[in-house]
Amino acid sequence: ETGVTQTPRHLVMGMTNKKSLKCEQHLGHNAMYWYKQSAKKPLELMFVYNFKEQTENNSVPSRFSPECPNSSHLFLHLHTLQPEDSALYLCASGGGTHQFFGPGTRLTVL
Amino acid sequence: AQTVTQSQPEMSVQEAETVTLSCTYDTSESDYYLFWYKQPPSRQMILVIRQEAYKQQNATENRFSVNFQKAAKSFSLKISDSQLGDAAMYFCAYRRITGGGAQKLVFGQGTRLTINP
Repeated sequence: ETGVTQTPRHLVMGMTNKKSLKCEQHLGHNAMYWYKQSAKKPLELMFVYNFKEQTENNSVPSRFSPECPNSSHLFLHLHTLQPEDSALYLCASGGGTHQFFGPGTRLTVL
Repeated sequence: AQTVTQSQPEMSVQEAETVTLSCTYDTSESDYYLFWYKQPPSRQMILVIRQEAYKQQNATENRFSVNFQKAAKSFSLKISDSQLGDAAMYFCAYRRITGGGAQKLVFGQGTRLTINP
């Protein structure tokens, strides 16, 4: 248990659906991150938030829309996804030298 | 840009034996952090060990130790007395120290470690 939680743990959605992933941390960290983990590929950083402000968007398609209402919560809104977006989506928080990861949401896009 | 390379997609070791996972990286920075993260089948990634580049002494955490060769830009992880619970994906990662704010991690491709009973 790292102190970072993610819901849901599993999600199956059609290409026309809209869904949201939620991440929560109560570690007092100011930075939060979204990563995509696909099979046989390194973790890909998607977004970085620092003090609720987005500081990095790693050329992520607009069908992924992040939201950070406060330093403890991070959302990833999904709409009109493609099958190739199926992956494990990891959230992390960091306030010092390293990051703490959540368990991930396994997303399947049909 | 910094890159991290793990050249061993899979490794296996007998229980109680020692195994070494390799990692090389490329950076023009002189000061940085290096990490090994473990991702068990339950998928929650956890930190195994951390090394600050300015420290010459290799980091050690119980059965886990690193061999940090700064000039060669090499950062290998040694697991002694391997246990079944060590089975996982292991990721090597790099992070800059300077710049402040949120610092991103650059990950290697991962090494899947299997422990044979």
